[in-house]
Amino acid sequence: IAGITQAPTSQILAAGRRMTLRCTQDMRHNAMYWYRQDLGLGLRLIHYSNTAGTTGKGEVPDGYSVSRANTDDFPLTLASAVPSQTSVYFCASSVQADQPQHFGDGTRLSIL
Amino acid sequence: GIQVEQSPPDLILQEGANSTLRCNFSDSVNNLQWFHQNPWGQLINLFYIPSGTKQNGRLSATTVATERYSLLYISSSQTTDSGVYFCAVRTQGGSEKLVFGKGTKLTVNP
Repeated sequence: IAGITQAPTSQILAAGRRMTLRCTQDMRHNAMYWYRQDLGLGLRLIHYSNTAGTTGKGEVPDGYSVSRANTDDFPLTLASAVPSQTSVYFCASSVQADQPQHFGDGTRLSIL
Repeated sequence: GIQVEQSPPDLILQEGANSTLRCNFSDSVNNLQWFHQNPWGQLINLFYIPSGTKQNGRLSATTVATERYSLLYISSSQTTDSGVYFCAVRTQGGSEKLVFGKGTKLTVNP
């Protein structure tokens, strides 16, 4: 079934550790996005990529990095995790940047 | 930046009732989406509706872009409709992000 696959589904991580959240889509969408969802703050954009080979900063990029080596994959890396990065992370994609976005099932990340 | 306000924040219904959820936004938009976040946390696309009216089964949505609001109608509600409904917009000529409202939490009781 076509769609967006995120991995892992959930993770508990010690502070200071490095972590990469994976996101793969098979819809050949050009644009991809990472959001975090926090109680009381809603969903906020971390980073985005309008096309393979390009990335941009969203609303809350500090402490996160992304890469877009090909169309399908858009990994999100926490270089040195901190407790404030405890959140639910959603990956999304769209055909083009101004088209509707489709979301993966999310990764629940807890930093202790 | 653009402000997105949803109302009501909470709604409790009996199965079979109808409801209207509202989304107001403070600037012109070129993308408006309605999502349902189910109790398992999944974000389900309901409508892409920057303007006009669409219907999908018991759900329909109307966006009046000139007046900067959108409405989501749920008819003959079912317990499976429970969850949080989000409106999200993207401004014309703005950044790539979708700006989400805080959501309407819907509880449908049997």
